[in-house]
Amino acid sequence: TQLLEQSPQFLSIQEGENLTVYCNSSSVFSSLQWYRQEPGEGPVLLVTVVTGGEVKKLKRLTFQFGDARKDSSLHITAAQTGDTGLYLCAGHRGGSNYKLTFGKGTLLTVNP
Amino acid sequence: GAGVSQSPRYKVTKRGQDVALRCDPISGHVSLYWYRQALGQGPEFLTYFNYEAQQDKSGLPNDRFSAERPEGSISTLTIQRTEQRDSAMYRCASSLSTSGSNEQYFGPGTRLTVT
Repeated sequence: TQLLEQSPQFLSIQEGENLTVYCNSSSVFSSLQWYRQEPGEGPVLLVTVVTGGEVKKLKRLTFQFGDARKDSSLHITAAQTGDTGLYLCAGHRGGSNYKLTFGKGTLLTVNP
Repeated sequence: GAGVSQSPRYKVTKRGQDVALRCDPISGHVSLYWYRQALGQGPEFLTYFNYEAQQDKSGLPNDRFSAERPEGSISTLTIQRTEQRDSAMYRCASSLSTSGSNEQYFGPGTRLTVT
């Protein structure tokens, strides 16, 4: 059973389009992180959200944490070819165990 | 400053051999994590350490896999009697403190191929 479900699994769009990717779970998380991974590299953190309903913006990227802290979304406005990559959400369940559980990712391709 | 380093970057071994994968975290980082990642998929948790103490090894697939971090810095992931299904990218990450919401910095990974 996958604790964090990401959708869509693959997304191919044209430069300038907007898109939203989702990260859903039936479990509550104390915090959730979004990472981007480029080919041949390790994941790099984009944002951490910790409060239900929280919205964070990073230039053209908008991240939202669901009110119940079970889901999150990433919206990209006016996508650029440099946004291409694997987008991963990762959750921390809380308590004294600090491991992160990753989703399988959304592979985004932005075409020129 | 130096990021997380892993060695070797590529390892090809024959089935049945033992392999040791090394991770050198960012200096001063308390927590160290090992993951396995299939191509185009998210990292799969294996185990993690706070300082030298192994806090959670629930993700290790079986008893052929073990990890240690004896001095709270460099860590080694050992796979005994390798099998072809062990072929994967093995990634290490470290974080500054023990909070689950802290950023994890990932290394470049070791690509293991078992023939």
